[in-house]
Amino acid sequence: GAGVSQTPSNKVTEKGKYVELRCDPISGHTALYWYRQSLGQGPEFLIYFQGTGAADDSGLPNDRFFAVRPEGSVSTLKIQRTERGDSAVYLCASSLTAGGVTGELFFGEGSRLTVL
Amino acid sequence: SQKIEQNSEALNIQEGKTATLTCNYTNYSPAYLQWYRQDPGRGPVFLLLIRENEKEKRKERLKVTFDTTLKQSLFHITASQPADSATYLCALDMGGNKLVFGAGTILRVKS
Repeated sequence: GAGVSQTPSNKVTEKGKYVELRCDPISGHTALYWYRQSLGQGPEFLIYFQGTGAADDSGLPNDRFFAVRPEGSVSTLKIQRTERGDSAVYLCASSLTAGGVTGELFFGEGSRLTVL
Repeated sequence: SQKIEQNSEALNIQEGKTATLTCNYTNYSPAYLQWYRQDPGRGPVFLLLIRENEKEKRKERLKVTFDTTLKQSLFHITASQPADSATYLCALDMGGNKLVFGAGTILRVKS
């Protein structure tokens, strides 16, 4: 597709359930990012992939959060045992970043997660 | 850790005027700084990138300045229009391909 695609756009789940959020980046973009945005706040960095590997996962809040990008394209963010505090918009972005310079990020529209 | 401050209060201006938004940061200066626009319910959209050795960058009605001595970036929209109403986010490139975002400033342009 022309832009970054995220599914689902909305997800409502119950506390304790498992959730998967999917991101399909712009074709050819090697760098992929996950951010989390709470109401009234800016996006908060979670994890960065360069190709298939997680180059920086320092933003993942705890071990309930995990992300994969097995073929260097589509990525899935996985959240186990969801808690109400996980409710937020999860944004995915991709970039042509290379050589340590973060260029323009292209964001998807986000997946709004609500944990009841 | 790096702290980024943007005007927490919304900026309300009249159509045709120049809007000026501020981004202040603490600690060390990043090599790059970016500005994004975000509309309600949408993802952020890239506007401008400025390097630490650039004092000013322009793109159409937009102008960004970067003062590493003051640890501040200013974002200007000249001849503002109601369609410019949105949240504007500044983001610091902290190296290692990580962007750290401020909370954003809401701009409202009234006709």
